[in-house]
Amino acid sequence: DGGITQSPKYLFRKEGQNVTLSCEQNLNHDAMYWYRQDPGQGLRLIYYSQIVNDFQKGDIAEGYSVSREKKESFPLTVTSAQKNPTAFYLCASSTGLRQGYTFGSGTRLTVV
Amino acid sequence: DQQVKQNSPSLSVQEGRISILNCDYTNSMFDYFLWYKKYPAEGPTFLISISSIKDKNEDGRFTVFLNKSAKHLSLHIVPSQPGDSAVYFCAATAFGAGTASKLTFGTGTRLQVTL
Repeated sequence: DGGITQSPKYLFRKEGQNVTLSCEQNLNHDAMYWYRQDPGQGLRLIYYSQIVNDFQKGDIAEGYSVSREKKESFPLTVTSAQKNPTAFYLCASSTGLRQGYTFGSGTRLTVV
Repeated sequence: DQQVKQNSPSLSVQEGRISILNCDYTNSMFDYFLWYKKYPAEGPTFLISISSIKDKNEDGRFTVFLNKSAKHLSLHIVPSQPGDSAVYFCAATAFGAGTASKLTFGTGTRLQVTL
């Protein structure tokens, strides 16, 4: 079955440590996205990539980094520069926006 | 600056009745709108969409209405079922502005359908 896999589902890290969230898709979609969900703030765009080896900053890119070396993979690194990293992170992909995004099941990151 | 707003954080409706979820937007460049449904600890799933050249789109129990002059859209669910209980997000994008890859989401409305 085609879909998007995010791993792990739950992640705990100590403050000051970098952490990388995995996102893999087998839908053959060109575009991939990272969103962050906080209570009462909806989904906010962190980074997106429309093609391999290219990506753009979203609305809240500070403290995050991404890479897009393969079409199937779009990992997100939450760096120690991100001031409030505890959140629910969602990865998505699309082939044509009129069909909407396909989302992964999310990773809940807790920094202690 | 919240460009897509869902002013009702929650809504409770009896089973079998109509659920109406509202969404307002401020960016006049938005020309395509989508609704997503989300269960806890899961990713959102695409529900229905509408282009700005239309004012209504139907898919089974779900209908989306768009009022461009008021910059307002609504999602109607008829009849509401307990399985519809979830958080609903409104989203918008501007195809004409070349930013079609980016969706701007509202803050969500939690719908509870009671027996």
